[in-house]
This record gives sequence, structure tokens and C-alpha cells, in this order.
Amino acid sequence: DAMVIQNPRYQVTQFGKPVTLSCSQTLNHNVMYWYQQKSSQAPKLLFHYYDKDFNNEADTPDNFQSRRPNTSFCFLDIRSPGLGDAAMYLCATSRGEETQYFGPGTRLLVL
Amino acid sequence: GESVGLHLPTLSVQEGDNSIINCAYSNSASDYFIWYKQESGKGPQFIIDIRSNMDKRQGQRVTVLLNKTVKHLSLQIAATQPGDSAVYFCAETLNSGYSTLTFGKGTMLLVSP
Repeated sequence: DAMVIQNPRYQVTQFGKPVTLSCSQTLNHNVMYWYQQKSSQAPKLLFHYYDKDFNNEADTPDNFQSRRPNTSFCFLDIRSPGLGDAAMYLCATSRGEETQYFGPGTRLLVL
Repeated sequence: GESVGLHLPTLSVQEGDNSIINCAYSNSASDYFIWYKQESGKGPQFIIDIRSNMDKRQGQRVTVLLNKTVKHLSLQIAATQPGDSAVYFCAETLNSGYSTLTFGKGTMLLVSP
């Protein structure tokens, strides 16, 4: 009955090798978010899609991109991962301004 | 690898005690507040929310208190259980007009049997 699904749960990539993380949702929410969370820190918003409108946070590096091909799916692309990009990546969804619901996260390891 | 993390404030309690987790929020214009629970290796889980037109809201074993005068939010957990052990984050947002969540730093709750 998972409502926000993230795949894979663990991802290992090599320094500089592009990687894509995926998120899907069964809630039919119109807003989808991507957060980065490092150890013992709060989630940090990278960007979000409000319907089809992409909203990038001012301090999100250009290395991070996102795609939302339809309402249910959203992808996070890291073009050239560095060691500092190792983190938990969280997807969340909401219906407009209402409560955000999070997926289980993808733990990214960069070697 | 990951950068060295900050040390989270930690609250240690015995099973059966009541727990109070505090949060100071930053924006006096924020009008919607949420508490999330995050267990190790999992995503944040919604616990309870409150809007700025209220000062108290109760759920099952949890109560959120809002003091807008001093921009303070608290989460009270009654009869704390080992399964309550997690990191708790408060989050704030402007609900009137769309805006995104701002998370607080988080508090780790450790419950001993």
C-alpha cells in the first residue's frame, strides 16, 4: 500500500558517473518534491514540480536536474556525482499547499 | 562520502514517561506547522499538524502546542514507547499562498525500556 515509492532504495555510483533516482506516487498529488538529506541534518529542498511547473531552489547546484513526465512519476538526475553528493534523497508529494508525504528515500553512495 | 553531520539535540526518556520535544520556528508569518518522525534509514512520517488559528491540537498519544507570541512549537508524546525512538522534525510553511516547507534542525528521541 506504499503511496510514495522510491527506487532504488540504495544506489552506488562512481565519481562522475551520471545517476538517476526515481519516484512514483499513487496519491494523484499535483506537487512533487526532491530533498537531499545528509547525516544528522534536516531535509534540504532541491526543487519541486507544481503540476508541470518546475521550481528550482536558488542554491541547488546545476549538477542536479529533474524530470516529471507525468503526474505519477518524477526523476532526479545527478549529472556528475561528486563525493559530496552522497546522501539520502527523499521524494515527497502534496496536494497543493496541503501536507507533504514522503517516500522511504534512496541512499546514494558515491565511490 | 557525506560531510560530517551535526550532533542532533537528544532527549532520553524511560518507557512510559511523557516526552516533550521543542522547536523554535523562524518566520512569524508562517501559518501552518507540521511534526514529522523519521526513523533511521526511512523517510519522514507525518505525525500531526496545526494551523496558526489554533494553539493546541491533539492526536492519538500526541499533542502539538503552538505559541505564536514566542514562535515556539512543541510536541508532547504521552506514555512514550520504544517504537517512538526516532528523530523528530518540526516544519513550517506559509499556507496562504503557496510556499514550501522549512524544516527545523531535528531532535533525537531515545526511549529506554
